Amino acid sequence: EAAVTQSPRNKVTVTGGNVTLSCRQTNSHNYMYWYRQDTGHGLRLIHYSYGAGNLQIGDVPDGYKATRTTQEDFFLLLELASPSQTSLYFCASSDERGLEQYFGPGTRLTVL
Amino acid sequence: QQQVRQSSQSLTVWEGETAILNCSYENSAFDYFPWYQQFPGEGPALLIAIRSVSDKKEDGRFTIFFNKREKNLSLHIKDSQPGDSATYFCAADYQGGRALIFGTGTTVSVSP
Repeated sequence: EAAVTQSPRNKVTVTGGNVTLSCRQTNSHNYMYWYRQDTGHGLRLIHYSYGAGNLQIGDVPDGYKATRTTQEDFFLLLELASPSQTSLYFCASSDERGLEQYFGPGTRLTVL
Repeated sequence: QQQVRQSSQSLTVWEGETAILNCSYENSAFDYFPWYQQFPGEGPALLIAIRSVSDKKEDGRFTIFFNKREKNLSLHIKDSQPGDSATYFCAADYQGGRALIFGTGTTVSVSP
């Protein structure tokens, strides 16, 4: 069964809305990551964590918060969603930082 | 500023040909270079990776050629098959860095 799962798979919200994207990994990995994927930009790192309660800022953090509640669970929060945050979001996990990352299936978010 | 650049957004080859995907980088400290493969509707998955101490890494029909002096690398897909049609991301990392940095991706289409 899939080792990295994301929910929801699709989400539509309105400008100013509150959105939480969820990610769970069963790899027993320490590192977890949130990326956004946009045409022409590839994968861009939003936030990452190396353990429960830890949070590190990525390259495009503005407008996003994240929380790592357990080793398995990593959440991405958009408290005032904007149309510029319409994107495909991926969660990933890895045992050691940077080495093989295992990606989830993605969440497509549309902000109207 | 794009630290990892992929020169082609898309590439079309005939079945049986060799597809060549190019990647360049700016930071001389990068020492680990994975390539990820992504099929439509899925998350990326590690395909093959090389460390900067090597100039070539081969895995079946996939080969990475690495040129440290020129700060570029390429992924060769020999005997391309329609099942190789996917988006390929070049990435880079280094010890002490924050996390993997991905290029913008090259979408390969293999025509039968």
